[in-house]
Amino acid sequence: GAVVSQHPSRVICKSGTSVKIECRSLDFQATTMFWYRQFPKQSLMLMATSNEGSKATYEQGVEKDKFLINHASLTLSTLTVTSAHPEDSSFYICSAGDRGGQHFGDGTRLSIL
Amino acid sequence: QKEVEQNSGPLSVPEGAIASLNCTYSDRGSQSFFWYRQYSGKSPELIMSIYSNGDKEDGRFTAQLNKASQYVSLLIRDSQPSDSATYLCAVIAGGTSYGKLTFGQGTILTVHP
Repeated sequence: GAVVSQHPSRVICKSGTSVKIECRSLDFQATTMFWYRQFPKQSLMLMATSNEGSKATYEQGVEKDKFLINHASLTLSTLTVTSAHPEDSSFYICSAGDRGGQHFGDGTRLSIL
Repeated sequence: QKEVEQNSGPLSVPEGAIASLNCTYSDRGSQSFFWYRQYSGKSPELIMSIYSNGDKEDGRFTAQLNKASQYVSLLIRDSQPSDSATYLCAVIAGGTSYGKLTFGQGTILTVHP
């Protein structure tokens, strides 16, 4: 089946650091990828839609200047959390779709100290 | 009213029993429906996708869709302790599997030996 690779799996860093997360579709091309955030005991919340070759579309309430998204190729999207603060600590998950549905990366657990 | 609602859990069933998970959605134009399984600390894993009214079976899993009632369900036969997880119902408005997923809040299933 379709494979989505997400990297890194875990990040622990100091407040004020910027963190980049990569999402790759390994065996298919994805013109669109999605970035989600999940807080403990809650469901996934869509943050933004990453579009290859164009600007990302952000959901209401998500700061585009804080969560920078780049989708430079058909197999790679990156999410950069700029100047991260403790409240940004969460589980970040990307997904990409094929005919079978949306497939998720393994997620990145971000902890800001 | 939430866009996608799942029956409130947690749901506990004995090993070997049938687990029944239910989901309703508000957007009558929705065309694509998915069930994901999420183990604690992991990202969601696609179990079933269903697009047409009726039943779709895959091994021990059966998805049922009734668009008139805006209802989708997942049955797990011969439940195993390894099935213990959070089950997420997700819906895409529109006619493809590539679009933006809207998730329900999830139902926690526990299968006890």
